[in-house]
Amino acid sequence: DTAVSQTPKYLVTQMGNDKSIKCEQNLGHDTMYWYKQDSKKFLKIMFSYNNKELIINETVPNRFSPKSPDKAHLNLHINSLELGDSAVYFCASRLAGGETQYFGPGTRLLVL
Amino acid sequence: QQPVQSPQAVILREGEDAVINCSSSKALYSVHWYRQKHGEAPIFLMILLKGGEQKGHDKISASFNEKKQQSSLYLTASQLSYSGTYFCGTGSPNFGNEKLTFGTGTRLTIIP
Repeated sequence: DTAVSQTPKYLVTQMGNDKSIKCEQNLGHDTMYWYKQDSKKFLKIMFSYNNKELIINETVPNRFSPKSPDKAHLNLHINSLELGDSAVYFCASRLAGGETQYFGPGTRLLVL
Repeated sequence: QQPVQSPQAVILREGEDAVINCSSSKALYSVHWYRQKHGEAPIFLMILLKGGEQKGHDKISASFNEKKQQSSLYLTASQLSYSGTYFCGTGSPNFGNEKLTFGTGTRLTIIP
């Protein structure tokens, strides 16, 4: 059974389009994250949700809007995609008070 | 500002030892070590919570010098399976393990 899953795995789209990435975890965790890993492999936190509530919001353009319909799901919607948005986006989850973050397989986004 | 890891990349023969360093300009609450293989998600290796703490399992161990704001990961008698990019993730006193700032990464290649 997949612990943290993301869809789609690959996403190729044109500049200016709007796209969504979905994340689901079946670990019973309370906290979920979105990370962006760029071409230089830098892994940077974007957002964190705890029980559907936004906890951490790093300096991310407001074209990025996360949504958590329930504590097992965290989606990321991106408006007006730009070339610089091309990256691998990882979802992760953690049990509240726990130490370990579990990462999903990543979504490889390419903006043309 | 993200922690700086050294070296950036290293190539070793199977059986050799490696040391990967992680240095932060900010006070540290915890240090987490992850390994990421190409095209895959980062996988948790271990966490160090207290200054002076050392941990290890199998032939991978780590130390945490709280005063120097540094941590080191030690890989002994490296195996081919150790190849990948290693990241330290640091927790801050303000956020604890809620928010991790990942280091610049160290690419380790083990050759037969």
